[in-house]
Amino acid sequence: EDKVVQSPLSLVVHEGDTVTLNCSYEVTNFRSLLWYKQEKKAPTFLFMLTSSGIEKKSGRLSSILDKKELFSILNITATQTGDSAVYLCARETSGSRLTFGEGTQLTVNP
Amino acid sequence: EADIYQTPRYLVIGTGKKITLECSQTMGHDKMYWYQQDPGMELHLIHYSYGVNSTEKGDLSSESTVSRIRTEHFPLTLESARPSHTSQYLCASSEGLYNEQFFGPGTRLTVL
Repeated sequence: EDKVVQSPLSLVVHEGDTVTLNCSYEVTNFRSLLWYKQEKKAPTFLFMLTSSGIEKKSGRLSSILDKKELFSILNITATQTGDSAVYLCARETSGSRLTFGEGTQLTVNP
Repeated sequence: EADIYQTPRYLVIGTGKKITLECSQTMGHDKMYWYQQDPGMELHLIHYSYGVNSTEKGDLSSESTVSRIRTEHFPLTLESARPSHTSQYLCASSEGLYNEQFFGPGTRLTVL
């Protein structure tokens, strides 16, 4: 079974801290890796990564993919309480199908 | 404004009832998906469609069925609801290759 494993499952930090979220995956039929943020209901798209070593950045968030070691990281710098959410990693296979990890529950305290 | 809609947002229903969860998107996307997500758990793909008249079963066995008669509409039907169907159901759509999936707001279903 193709798996996506995220770590840590839960993380509590203070505002201003920097966090690194991890995602490892299996290689079968790999097409891309995606990160989503889920606050209450619908996941919202953050990044799609297809190539190794190329960092994608959006404000305080950045992400990079290592296709040799089969993992990706999501970095959030200068965290704010509004960053509190579940961060989901998903692997896309052929046919545009996504396999999701369990998610990392991030809590940012004031 | 292009978007993806799901109705109802919340549904509480008795065992044995037939229900249809609606999903519509105004973005003209060819691919649509249904996911099931229990609280604190990962999303599981239960059905997907590559276009009109195309439907496929996903990774998670489901007693639901879907149809895709129009590009914008992808309803999910449970013929006989059971308490084990209690969950959140998320609809998503995407277009072409290497494009992210956009998610609807979800339907939270409770079967008593």
